[in-house]
Amino acid sequence: KAGVTQTPRYLIKTRGQQVTLSCSPISGHRSVSWYQQTPGQGLQFLFEYFSETQRNKGNFPGRFSGRQFSNSRSEMNVSTLELGDSALYLCASSFAGTSGETQYFGPGTRLLVL
Amino acid sequence: DQQVKQNSPSLSVQEGRISILNCDYTNSMFDYFLWYKKYPAEGPTFLISISSIKDKNEDGRFTVFLNKSAKHLSLHIVPSQPGDSAVYFCAASDGDAGKSTFGDGTTLTVKP
Repeated sequence: KAGVTQTPRYLIKTRGQQVTLSCSPISGHRSVSWYQQTPGQGLQFLFEYFSETQRNKGNFPGRFSGRQFSNSRSEMNVSTLELGDSALYLCASSFAGTSGETQYFGPGTRLLVL
Repeated sequence: DQQVKQNSPSLSVQEGRISILNCDYTNSMFDYFLWYKKYPAEGPTFLISISSIKDKNEDGRFTVFLNKSAKHLSLHIVPSQPGDSAVYFCAASDGDAGKSTFGDGTTLTVKP
């Protein structure tokens, strides 16, 4: 099976712009989660989607949003970018997101905001 | 309030010796704990996990111990190899694997 893929891998934007990141989960996986990792920090949970519905949401401002399509592919959007949004954005998928399941991560999208 | 803490940002050990990585948590609702390994420019990869109903899980060179009363878990790597050099993240979930809480990571360096 192909792993989790994320596009693009690298992105440079300027403050005030918006950005859309894409994630394709492992085939058959219906739960997709997004995390933000900043230097020296662990992974901060953004949100989780399951069957096209946002099931969980972390403590991020409304500028961060996402969606999931019927084929389980997911996108996240960040509007009005700020310098502090520079980070590695990781997508992870699992079969159903239930307890005991392992999440499989993509390589991430590194976003730099200038 | 950080619910999962890895208090050691870095750890250096000699090849062949034991590496012990520690993790503390505060949320008693966590029922599943995982360790991930991350190399630069790659996403985290699953290493080993443990359910809250167990106190030990072993997989080859990797063993995870869980002490529920102390809200503490540890990852033991024996023997350590240079290829184990990476950042190790401890993670926990409370019934929803899609919303895991991660620690800040510990950078392990195994010297030849």
